[in-house]
Amino acid sequence: DVKVTQSSRYLVKRTGEKVFLECVQDMDHENMFWYRQDPGLGLRLIYFSYDVKMKEKGDIPEGYSVSREKKERFSLILESASTNQTSMYLCASSRPGANVLTFGAGSRLTVL
Amino acid sequence: LAKTTQPISMDSYEGQEVNITCSHNNIATNDYITWYQQFPSQGPRFIIQGYKTKVTNEVASLFIPADRKSSTLSLPRVSLSDTAVYYCLVGDSPRSGDKLTFGTGTRLAVRP
Repeated sequence: DVKVTQSSRYLVKRTGEKVFLECVQDMDHENMFWYRQDPGLGLRLIYFSYDVKMKEKGDIPEGYSVSREKKERFSLILESASTNQTSMYLCASSRPGANVLTFGAGSRLTVL
Repeated sequence: LAKTTQPISMDSYEGQEVNITCSHNNIATNDYITWYQQFPSQGPRFIIQGYKTKVTNEVASLFIPADRKSSTLSLPRVSLSDTAVYYCLVGDSPRSGDKLTFGTGTRLAVRP
């Protein structure tokens, strides 16, 4: 009973390519998040959204953008991928007024 | 946003009780304390959440002193399957502007 689904588990892209990471949740959650995880650095917040068409920058938004056209879907976009964006990307969602996040399985992106 | 500090790693043996402490000196009045567990190649998953005093569920207990500047996750009688990274998250609702940033976590190794 997967509740947060990330479209790709593994991706390999080339420098300069445009990359889309898709995330869908079926719990009717208002809040959605994109994190990246790198060894020794824990989880770092890229962007989050607390409503459709709303987006807020996290701690490391540079080089990323997001889109939330529907409540259940939150997309992370790398306009021009670079090698330093090689990482594990984790999507999460939560109800309003709570910091109980449900995470997806993650998308491991390699940029060559 | 309350910054959190946890030990980088801990070792234990099967059957022992493990206590992981998280420091959050500038916790705000509306902040909740939430703990997550993460296995390799998976997203973090919720373990327990509390606001003050003690909370217990089927997998863990959470102890929060009166000043709320720290919290302790207690895992009773750990097994090998409890080997994971544990994250403490302190925050309020994203709609209030809280970014819900994770720390670097505590890597727990349980040995036979």
